[in-house]
Amino acid sequence: QKEVEQDPGPLSVPEGAIVSLNCTYSNSAFQYFMWYRQYSRKGPELLMYTYSSGNKEDGRFTAQVDKSSKYISLFIRDSQPSDSATYLCAMSGGGTSYGKLTFGQGTILTVHP
Amino acid sequence: DAMVIQNPRYQVTQFGKPVTLSCSQTLNHNVMYWYQQKSSQAPKLLFHYYDKDFNNEADTPDNFQSRRPNTSFCFLDIRSPGLGDAAMYLCATSTDVSGGGNIQYFGAGTRLSVL
Repeated sequence: QKEVEQDPGPLSVPEGAIVSLNCTYSNSAFQYFMWYRQYSRKGPELLMYTYSSGNKEDGRFTAQVDKSSKYISLFIRDSQPSDSATYLCAMSGGGTSYGKLTFGQGTILTVHP
Repeated sequence: DAMVIQNPRYQVTQFGKPVTLSCSQTLNHNVMYWYQQKSSQAPKLLFHYYDKDFNNEADTPDNFQSRRPNTSFCFLDIRSPGLGDAAMYLCATSTDVSGGGNIQYFGAGTRLSVL
């Protein structure tokens, strides 16, 4: 079993839709949860960062963490074609040396006009 | 302004011919990481440096080596590239935060092809 499971998709939605991306994990020691966005042939860029359980909102993006269920989500409201990318969840904490990140496989999202 | 810069963006090498990928950073971060990312897969950590302290992942093949001559630069050396080493190689940096929680900043990556 992988430490972090993420539905690879692909996910295709019309412009303006609400998008929900999800990851589950097995290591209860994870405390820091991140979402990275990766455009084609580019490096990942940090989108959202959350510590422990709870919600965090930034513009059209909302990150949710439910540590009791070992489940994290990223919601994108009013999705735009420019949101088309691969979204990677990542986690760290629990004594991992030097902040080693454990990534999900990534979900490929396409928002069509 | 790019903060983590990888060169070259694209590299083509021949089977068995050594290749070096480079990464530089302007963030003055203590920690530098090298990841390998194959198509539709999660980035896989190869190794990292905390200052000059090198930390290899247990499953990183001996074919992969790294050098960090100073804070700003880090190199990935592939001694004898095989066809299976064709991938995107990502460099990342972060400040040191024990126990996690540090944000990693990634470069744009070097896409390596092996002929």
